Amino acid sequence: DAEITQSPRHKITETGRQVTLACHQTWNHNNMFWYRQDLGHGLRLIHYSYGVHDTNKGEVSDGYSVSRSNTEDLPLTLESAASSQTSVYFCASSASGTANEKLFFGSGTQLSVL
Amino acid sequence: SQQGEEDPQALSIQEGENATMNCSYKTSINNLQWYRQNSGRGLVHLILIRSNEREKHSGRLRVTLDTSKKSSSLLITASRAADTASYFCATDGGNNNDMRFGAGTRLTVKP
Repeated sequence: DAEITQSPRHKITETGRQVTLACHQTWNHNNMFWYRQDLGHGLRLIHYSYGVHDTNKGEVSDGYSVSRSNTEDLPLTLESAASSQTSVYFCASSASGTANEKLFFGSGTQLSVL
Repeated sequence: SQQGEEDPQALSIQEGENATMNCSYKTSINNLQWYRQNSGRGLVHLILIRSNEREKHSGRLRVTLDTSKKSSSLLITASRAADTASYFCATDGGNNNDMRFGAGTRLTVKP
């Protein structure tokens, strides 16, 4: 069955370190998204991509970057981790086009920046 | 900024009762979606309603959309303990090509 997987499930890092969170989907979806979830804020969009070599900034993109070299993967990089980036990160994907069809979510990565 | 806002923030009911959650949004939309999240898990899509639709059903779920009031409601009928979860609405903001989520409603169904 097609799926979307995130790794690692849990990550502890130190302030200032570079961290990369992986997201891999086998739906063959063109659209991929990264969200962070914090208490009281729901999910906030970090970056998104509509296809290979396409990336776009979301509402909370500062301090984060993504790259899309193939259809299946959209890794999220924290350039220099900050304590404010402690959060749960979710990757999601959806079918082709920009019709805002339903999103399929991964199980999340709990990141702690100490 | 968040596009949708759910109300109430938390809801506690007895098994068998109906649960109603509301979502308000700020700008015009193409569609509105509802998602469910069990504790410690990713979100799961429940239902999508387009801007030209007023009501949609899926099993025990009923969603309504009032574009004039910029609001939607999710009704879960005959609730079960297994319905305990957080429920989120998401909208596309009209011209935005991405989905924005509210802070969610935490539903607790007591057996």
